[in-house]
Amino acid sequence: EAEVAQSPRYKITEKSQAVAFWCDPISGHATLYWYRQILGQGPELLVQFQDESVVDDSQLPKDRFSAERLKGVDSTLKIQPAELGDSAMYLCASSQPAGGRYEQYFGPGTRLTVT
Amino acid sequence: GESVGLHLPTLSVQEGDNSIINCAYSNSASDYFIWYKQESGKGPQFIIDIRSNMDKRQGQRVTVLLNKTVKHLSLQIAATQPGDSAVYFCAESARGGFQKLVFGTGTRLLVSP
Repeated sequence: EAEVAQSPRYKITEKSQAVAFWCDPISGHATLYWYRQILGQGPELLVQFQDESVVDDSQLPKDRFSAERLKGVDSTLKIQPAELGDSAMYLCASSQPAGGRYEQYFGPGTRLTVT
Repeated sequence: GESVGLHLPTLSVQEGDNSIINCAYSNSASDYFIWYKQESGKGPQFIIDIRSNMDKRQGQRVTVLLNKTVKHLSLQIAATQPGDSAVYFCAESARGGFQKLVFGTGTRLLVSP
């Protein structure tokens, strides 16, 4: 069964350092999402891509976060500089709408700890 | 604004019982709803979805009920098993919102053998 791949699974970094996460969606899925999930809460959308274009980045802290999906396949989310409050799980998801349904399939996530 | 919330943060049941997890939503424009299961340290796993033109949908051991009048969604799990122990999230999406999902805060289901 096809899955969303993410790496690394865990990342520990010091505040003010740069960090990057990678996501490879399910093959053929045009829509890719990055979420942040704080422990005990539901995922919160950071950015959504349709192919290589950003369609929603309203919740992305653009002063320190950036995301790209240059060829419309895999994607990178970057934080520079990292802050203590960025400690969270970063989840990637992909979807391919069909028949009015657009369930999102999630990867295993990257657990970020900023010290 | 949009919000999706849950009535019960923790639900404890015995193995073999039926479980019901509830969710309230506030955006009347929402037309698509999903339930996800998330085990510790893993990403959310799709369970079942329902569109607003339906009020009930069944899967394997799971049923989702949608009451648009009171903006309420529920997930029923039949014959709950220890492997069902996890946090369950409902999520909603509004028409025309680029399929953006808004998640609730989750309900933890604990199944005792």
